Amino acid sequence: ELKVEQNPLFLSMQEGKNYTIYCNYSTTSDRLYWYRQDPGKSLESLFVLLSNGAVKQEGRLMASLDTKARLSTLHITAAVHDLSATYFCAESHTGTASKLTFGTGTRLQVTL
Amino acid sequence: SAVISQKPSRDICQRGTSLTIQCQVDSQVTMMFWYRQQPGQSLTLIATANQGSEATYESGFVIDKFPISRPNLTFSTLTVSNMSPEDSSIYLCSVETGHYEQYFGPGTRLTVT
Repeated sequence: ELKVEQNPLFLSMQEGKNYTIYCNYSTTSDRLYWYRQDPGKSLESLFVLLSNGAVKQEGRLMASLDTKARLSTLHITAAVHDLSATYFCAESHTGTASKLTFGTGTRLQVTL
Repeated sequence: SAVISQKPSRDICQRGTSLTIQCQVDSQVTMMFWYRQQPGQSLTLIATANQGSEATYESGFVIDKFPISRPNLTFSTLTVSNMSPEDSSIYLCSVETGHYEQYFGPGTRLTVT
């Protein structure tokens, strides 16, 4: 069974702090995606990681992929309140024609 | 990137009725997907809709319940048939563009009473 597990499920952090969200997946994966979802909204694409060792950064968010460990991380640097949202990772595994299996999601709350 | 629109944005429907959701993309795409997001949950793939062929359904989803059309490369519909309160969810279409990017529509929030 295909599994994508995220932890933590809920994260409350203070502004200015750093933290990492972890995404473990169970099968050989072609690529790994990160999305952001605000309450009542659709998904906003953040990153797509295509190969082992891939690292992408946008503002205070940095995503990385380790295909050998079947692990992706989303690192948050110096969090600000505007980053409060739910973050999903999703993987597209080999031979499945771009179908995504989503993780459970991590609800991030950044407090002042 | 891709600009995706969905209609309706939300609806409240009675048990036993059907609702057809439309998904329109601003460019031609080969692959379109339909996902369901139940309240407070993650997303689950319902089916893959390719133009010119039958939709491919995931385990737990059947064509009689979720018929899909894909008449051209920019448009698809998903029908939720014979609805029950358990069908209350957000339904999202997504597309894959170049460089393996996948984008999601704004979603259709369905409430079944």
